[in-house]
Amino acid sequence: ILNVEQSPQSLHVQEGDSTNFTCSFPSSNFYALHWYRWETAKSPEALFVMTLNGDEKKKGRISATLNTKEGYSYLYIKGSQPEDSATYLCAPPTGGFKTIFGAGTRLFVKA
Amino acid sequence: DTAVSQTPKYLVTQMGNDKSIKCEQNLGHDTMYWYKQDSKKFLKIMFSYNNKELIINETVPNRFSPKSPDKAHLNLHINSLELGDSAVYFCASSQGAVSSGNTIYFGEGSWLTVV
Repeated sequence: ILNVEQSPQSLHVQEGDSTNFTCSFPSSNFYALHWYRWETAKSPEALFVMTLNGDEKKKGRISATLNTKEGYSYLYIKGSQPEDSATYLCAPPTGGFKTIFGAGTRLFVKA
Repeated sequence: DTAVSQTPKYLVTQMGNDKSIKCEQNLGHDTMYWYKQDSKKFLKIMFSYNNKELIINETVPNRFSPKSPDKAHLNLHINSLELGDSAVYFCASSQGAVSSGNTIYFGEGSWLTVV
């Protein structure tokens, strides 16, 4: 895997808005896709890991989908809250123990 | 009880010094990592150990040397520190291969500033 792209780079929304962002990755040699949530001055925390095309995962107001054939994953947040403000990273492993992290989408939720 | 803990959290040191960052995980994982957050904020893997054996060694200056005395510890020693080494270094662990769907658990980072 040469490149992982996340868009947008940053996003400003109002409390209560629903939002989504994209992770694009090469579709060949796919193993799994991890999403992490990274609050400033804290450690990245795992949100989801998805392995199968068509996977959908949900945790509270946050959900994610996976399309391995076209090489993308969407992360959705319903009814954004200020505590959702963080950087959201996607990370497709390249094989074994190696992972490439995207640059992340920085979400700011204004109360 | 912190799962992956690293010390020190902040380190300011002069160019040319040698310093170490220590990491411990209490998750019983077999694999540990060192990641560097580069100037563009990307997380880049530096090293990985599985059962105390080095399995990933990325293109990192040989001034950086990891040491794993046991499965629960992975320390990072840096010789002859340079200004460009200033970064945040993250220790992490996983139970197995991430390509098999195993999650990486991160420490809180060590902010290294070289002056």
